[in-house]
Amino acid sequence: EPEVTQTPSHQVTQMGQEVILRCVPISNHLYFYWYRQILGQKVEFLVSFYNNEISEKSEIFDDQFSVERPDGSNFTLKIRSTKLEDSAMYFCASAQGESNEQFFGPGTRLTVL
Amino acid sequence: GQSLEQPSEVTAVEGAIVQINCTYQTSGFYGLSWYQQHDGGAPTFLSYNALDGLEETGRFSSFLSRSDSYGYLLLQELQMKDSASYFCALNPGYALNFGKGTSLLVTP
Repeated sequence: EPEVTQTPSHQVTQMGQEVILRCVPISNHLYFYWYRQILGQKVEFLVSFYNNEISEKSEIFDDQFSVERPDGSNFTLKIRSTKLEDSAMYFCASAQGESNEQFFGPGTRLTVL
Repeated sequence: GQSLEQPSEVTAVEGAIVQINCTYQTSGFYGLSWYQQHDGGAPTFLSYNALDGLEETGRFSSFLSRSDSYGYLLLQELQMKDSASYFCALNPGYALNFGKGTSLLVTP
């Protein structure tokens, strides 16, 4: 069964450093998403991506964040200058259609020290 | 904006039926989804209601009433593996807007 994959599973970084989180969505999906979940809290939407551009973003997704689909398979989230409060689990998700079921990857746990 | 409310915790006995309610406020949305999340795991899709009424998928059913701004997830024949967090989520368009989740504990 096809699945969304994410790398790395755990990333530890120093405050102020740049990190890139990587995702490989399901191959025939057209809609891509990043969410984050701070420990013990709800899943929060960051950004959605369709047709090679951002379709929607939340207030969390400020200028420190960017997304890219550098090739036909990868989907990345970059945080330019990490803050302590960026520590969270970051989930990538993909879907066939706009309102369809979203398939989530296993997540990358980001720890900012 | 949008807001969703669901109970923080529910406990039920193995083999029983449990209902997790979700009330919401929104100006518009395509549908209401339900996701399950085990500790440390990814959210996994359970059910989606675009229209009012009941959707049944195996042991899980979900209900939506747009006029009452209310939905619920019904889990039947509870199993120990059903112990997890359950999130309702509004689908206003591209994004999913999740509730805070209900932690379900299934006891023997």
